[in-house]
Amino acid sequence: DIQMTQSPSSLSASVGDSITITCRASQSISKRLNWYQQKPGKAPELLIYSASTLQSGVPSRFSGNGSGTEFTLTISSLQPDDFVTYYCQQSDSIPPVTFGGGTKVEIK
Amino acid sequence: QVQLVQSAPEVKKPGASVKLSCKTSGYNFGVHTITWVRQAPGQGLEWVGWIATYNGNTNYAHKFQGRITMTTDTSTSTAYMELRNLRSDDTAIFYCARKTYYYDSSGFPLSYYFDYWSQGTLVTVSS
Repeated sequence: DIQMTQSPSSLSASVGDSITITCRASQSISKRLNWYQQKPGKAPELLIYSASTLQSGVPSRFSGNGSGTEFTLTISSLQPDDFVTYYCQQSDSIPPVTFGGGTKVEIK
Repeated sequence: QVQLVQSAPEVKKPGASVKLSCKTSGYNFGVHTITWVRQAPGQGLEWVGWIATYNGNTNYAHKFQGRITMTTDTSTSTAYMELRNLRSDDTAIFYCARKTYYYDSSGFPLSYYFDYWSQGTLVTVSS
């Protein structure tokens, strides 16, 4: 099974800051990596697929990068709604599907 | 618009079974696989399994094999997940989500994502 290691597990930042979350796969997954945002009490929402493609409607302050085993999610100029939890998920062709452990972004 | 709507919260005793429903609308049910993901209280996301709605083929996470069954009713565009022999550590919110493929310029499928999610159903297992 492919393991996904997400870091950090939490971070503190201020409105307007830029942050980067990292996700590492235990083996190469090319660009088969998705990012989700989850607000408290809500279902996850797709932000980015194929490592760097923004889902329709997602603000351009979100960006994704990487391939192989290392990936990043960057949020530039954090907005109040962005202080929630983010998950990476590998979408390799063979199950099982695995998610990273999550990164909670908190207000400093 | 695309919607996935789950059944009401459930409270079960250890050893019991639970069957959750996920009623879909707004798209062709037979085109998209339905996946199930669970989230224990305060924890991360855990893939449970999925079912191909066009032929009923399933793929389950190892830890659930033997006590889980996923089915569909194409006449009502509804997916179901039954989990048996419940334990206290099965207490979680269960989500269903739609799996969508994306393609390269030649039409070759590259991979997939989960683009629409249900509101989730809390399953509480307690004696």
